Amino acid sequence: DGGITQSPKYLFRKEGQNVTLSCEQNLNHDAMYWYRQDPGQGLRLIYYSQIVNDFQKGDIAEGYSVSREKKESFPLTVTSAQKNPTAFYLCASRNGGRHNEQFFGPGTRLTVL
Amino acid sequence: RKEVEQDPGPFNVPEGATVAFNCTYSNSASQSFFWYRQDCRKEPKLLMSVYSSGNEDGRFTAQLNRASQYISLLIRDSKLSDSATYLCVASQTGANNLFFGTGTRLTVIP
Repeated sequence: DGGITQSPKYLFRKEGQNVTLSCEQNLNHDAMYWYRQDPGQGLRLIYYSQIVNDFQKGDIAEGYSVSREKKESFPLTVTSAQKNPTAFYLCASRNGGRHNEQFFGPGTRLTVL
Repeated sequence: RKEVEQDPGPFNVPEGATVAFNCTYSNSASQSFFWYRQDCRKEPKLLMSVYSSGNEDGRFTAQLNRASQYISLLIRDSKLSDSATYLCVASQTGANNLFFGTGTRLTVIP
């Protein structure tokens, strides 16, 4: 099955700990994205990557880091510097072309205890 | 001002009803528009893309009014399974950023 997978589905973290969220896609998409969703707010862009070994900050990159060593994988690390990390994290990919449809993974719900 | 604004609802409608959602966008350079559907605690799923004045897919019709900078989604003959949050999204063509509205919550009542 082609698609985007994220793991884990639920994650609990103690304050002060870094944690890495996985995102994998087998759609052969070049571009990948990380968003966070909070109650009552729209999705906000954290980081994106258009090609391997390249990535750009989105609107709320502070306290996060990413890597793009392989086309299929775009892991997100939530560092201890992120002040309000509890959120629903969504990974997406785009198939290129003129339009900009993005397709989402199932998400990881992170809770900081 | 937010890039994309939606009425958060909730909209509670009986089965079989027709319901319409409106969404406004602030960036006149926006060229691509989408409606995504999001079920509770799930990821958004693409419902429709809107590239020109609008398009129709079964019971769903999306319309775009560039002069007034709004997009609408019309759902005819509502089903219980249509209950979800509908996200309005705008983007400049080829750009990396999608701008999401906060969503409109729809509940279809038996």
